[in-house]
Amino acid sequence: KQEVTQIPAALSVPEGENLVLNCSFTDSAIYNLQWFRQDPGKGLTSLLLIQSSQREQTSGRLNASLDKSSGRSTLYIAASQPGDSATYLCAVRRSNNDMRFGAGTRLTVKP
Amino acid sequence: EAEVAQSPRYKITEKSQAVAFWCDPISGHATLYWYRQILGQGPELLVQFQDESVVDDSQLPKDRFSAERLKGVDSTLKIQPAELGDSAMYLCASSWSDNSGNTIYFGEGSWLTVV
Repeated sequence: KQEVTQIPAALSVPEGENLVLNCSFTDSAIYNLQWFRQDPGKGLTSLLLIQSSQREQTSGRLNASLDKSSGRSTLYIAASQPGDSATYLCAVRRSNNDMRFGAGTRLTVKP
Repeated sequence: EAEVAQSPRYKITEKSQAVAFWCDPISGHATLYWYRQILGQGPELLVQFQDESVVDDSQLPKDRFSAERLKGVDSTLKIQPAELGDSAMYLCASSWSDNSGNTIYFGEGSWLTVV
């Protein structure tokens, strides 16, 4: 059974800092990995989707990497802003109908 | 920008009552998902539709939960009778197809509190 773990559970940083969020998964036989952002009480917004054949994806200040062999992905946020405060979830897809989420990292960026 | 629409946003119901949630996916999206998210945890899949057919409902508590997507467009998730442990956010999501390469788009969710 695929287990997805996100560490740390919560992170607080001052504005402007670069930061890394971690996601690990137990089964390396995946199709893709997706990072989502969730604001309090809201739905999930897709940030980046990395296919199993890819090593990284970039969008603006966000960069996500994937290392299938070690079962790890990282989400790098450059020059963090208070508006980046949210919970970030990673989800691993093993098949068309098997997508497992981590519990998320709750990020607070202080002005 | 196209969105996944859900209603109601918030619902408070008494234990043993019936409750229903509605979802309208992004136009043209064949795959529709219902997830349940308990506070502090990641979403867990309840049911997945491909057009009007159920692809996976292995995690749906079928003694009290039901889901339908009769015309392959919008969908309804029903709980009867509701239990205290059903308090959670119910998220609907859709994608162009069930191809694993497609991005999944989520709605704003429906918060359920059972008292």
